[in-house]
Amino acid sequence: GQQLNQSPQSMFIQEGEDVSMNCTSSSIFNTWLWYKQDPGEGPVLLIALYKAGELTSNGRLTAQFGITRKDSFLNISASIPSDVGIYFCAGQNYGGSQGNLIFGKGTKLSVKP
Amino acid sequence: NAGVTQTPKFQVLKTGQSMTLQCAQDMNHNSMYWYRQDPGMGLRLIYYSASEGTTDKGEVPNGYNVSRLNKREFSLRLESAAPSQTSVYFCASSSRAGSFEQYFGPGTRLTVT
Repeated sequence: GQQLNQSPQSMFIQEGEDVSMNCTSSSIFNTWLWYKQDPGEGPVLLIALYKAGELTSNGRLTAQFGITRKDSFLNISASIPSDVGIYFCAGQNYGGSQGNLIFGKGTKLSVKP
Repeated sequence: NAGVTQTPKFQVLKTGQSMTLQCAQDMNHNSMYWYRQDPGMGLRLIYYSASEGTTDKGEVPNGYNVSRLNKREFSLRLESAAPSQTSVYFCASSSRAGSFEQYFGPGTRLTVT
């Protein structure tokens, strides 16, 4: 089935650092979304992207819909401890069932020891 | 406004037992979804309901049944639980079938022994 490749799988952050992660697909997507999941909770929607090349911010978070329609990036600026969690990308591709999303496997953000 | 609620939060079943996971949303959304989340696998769609009165299979429907009881409620039933169904189950909803912004409940952690 359709797959999204999300990288990195995990990363350690130090407070104040900028963080980048990305998601790629072998086929064209017409929607990209980014979610964050805290331990024991459901995913929470952070940013939704609907147009190729679109750059959208939500506070310290910025996400971009790649111009090729096959990738998306999420950046977190000046990270703080509460940024720790798992970040998922999700996309909907042309030809997919209406409203059905495909999820990446997540990027786990942890605090540097 | 509670958003998406799920019951129970935790459940332990023996192989062969049956149970129903409940989900309700108070956002007047038309579409509802059931996902399972396994370590390293991201979120996979089990079943969805684009609107009241309709249900369709997702990526991993085997061993499950669903009922869209009314606009608010969407239940997931395991008729004969198997250890492979040990997972965290999330319900989600979106305002319409073409809206890809899905909002998630807190999850049900199910263990089948």
